[in-house]
Amino acid sequence: DAGITQSPRHKVTETGTPVTLRCHQTENHRYMYWYRQDPGHGLRLIHYSYGVKDTDKGEVSDGYSVSRSKTEDFLLTLESATSSQTSVYFCAISESGSWVKGYTFGSGTRLTVV
Amino acid sequence: KNEVEQSPQNLTAQEGEFITINCSYSVGISALHWLQQHPGGGIVSLFMLSSGKKKHGRLIATINIQEKHSSLHITASHPRDSAVYICAVRLLGGGSGGGADGLTFGKGTHLIIQP
Repeated sequence: DAGITQSPRHKVTETGTPVTLRCHQTENHRYMYWYRQDPGHGLRLIHYSYGVKDTDKGEVSDGYSVSRSKTEDFLLTLESATSSQTSVYFCAISESGSWVKGYTFGSGTRLTVV
Repeated sequence: KNEVEQSPQNLTAQEGEFITINCSYSVGISALHWLQQHPGGGIVSLFMLSSGKKKHGRLIATINIQEKHSSLHITASHPRDSAVYICAVRLLGGGSGGGADGLTFGKGTHLIIQP
């Protein structure tokens, strides 16, 4: 289908608990990204990956970690969730880091930290 | 720091109207993207521009590199066009300044087309 799926789609968690969001792709794209979307802000990059076990920080990486042990999976972990991490999280995949050859966004994960 | 400004932030129009959404940016770019986000959240790519004009169906996107400005037009608007339209730019050199991937996103224009 779309070639990229995010799970879960919705999650409510308590402050201080760890949370892991999953992004799975079937396109074999090299680049994968995690963004957050908040009212009053454009999409902001949290972390990205340019290959298996190759990851780097984005502009809002504090409080988040990522892992990519397989081409198809990119995991975003909130080590100890805080209310400021309540957001909608989007994963994206791209053939090239320049986004020239096309890219696809996942459907998003709405995370609420209470 | 590159800023991407979209206008208007919100737009409500009647079915059939011609719609224009604007995007301005402050530094040199190599490409500009227009994306559409429907209620329910999914984000899809509409256009990627580095110069001139592109058309797809009732959507037209233009860019003026010298003036650092792009517009997205919708002709014969329809309620199904109701969505958030997002402009994103890729910096020249593709490096930092707009996130590690070099993309800076605008805050979006929320468009509602009423029947």
